[in-house]
Amino acid sequence: GDSVTQTEGLVTLTKGLPVMLNCTYQTTYSPFLFWYVQHLNEAPKLLLKSSTDNKRTEHQGFYATLHKSSSSFHLQKSSVQLSDSALYFCALSPGGYKVVFGSGTRLLVSP
Amino acid sequence: NSKVIQTPRYLVKGQGQKAKMRCIPEKGHPVVFWYQQNKNNEFKFLINFQNQEVLQQIDMTEKRFSAECPSNSPCSLEIQSSEAGDSALYLCASSPGQGANERLFFGHGTKLSVL
Repeated sequence: GDSVTQTEGLVTLTKGLPVMLNCTYQTTYSPFLFWYVQHLNEAPKLLLKSSTDNKRTEHQGFYATLHKSSSSFHLQKSSVQLSDSALYFCALSPGGYKVVFGSGTRLLVSP
Repeated sequence: NSKVIQTPRYLVKGQGQKAKMRCIPEKGHPVVFWYQQNKNNEFKFLINFQNQEVLQQIDMTEKRFSAECPSNSPCSLEIQSSEAGDSALYLCASSPGQGANERLFFGHGTKLSVL
């Protein structure tokens, strides 16, 4: 079946450092991949999405590249800020109204 | 601010009680999803609708969960007889279309605590 794996449950960093949150997926379809961010007591919201192989997509300083050869869509940022502390979810839509979420990664940024 | 409105924000029930939560999707969005987010922040898909029709749902063999999206009324998710394991954040999300590329727009959720 379709699945998304996020290997890190918690990532802690000092502000100004780079970050990469891992996301790999399994599907037999040609999917769309998404990153959603959920700040404390807020609704999850879209950060990035892509379906194009080997093309970098960026938003609000975050970027990700879909690599179909390795089934990966890692989220990166070159310099994290305190306001980036949140839960980050990778999600897969293989089509047909189905959206599968990973288990999430909590990012904690300290001063 | 989220345009998907979920009520109530918090719901406290005793075991065996009914728990009902509502969702008004963003205007013009025909597709609605319900997810259960547990204490480990994991998303569990429950059911989705296009307009009033169920598209997909998990095997609710216990029949404790029911959901509907009636015309001109909020969507709702109801647990007939709450159990402690149902304590979670219930998230409603809507989508403007049916394609795989469509993003989900989430509400703030209803946090259910079953005592």
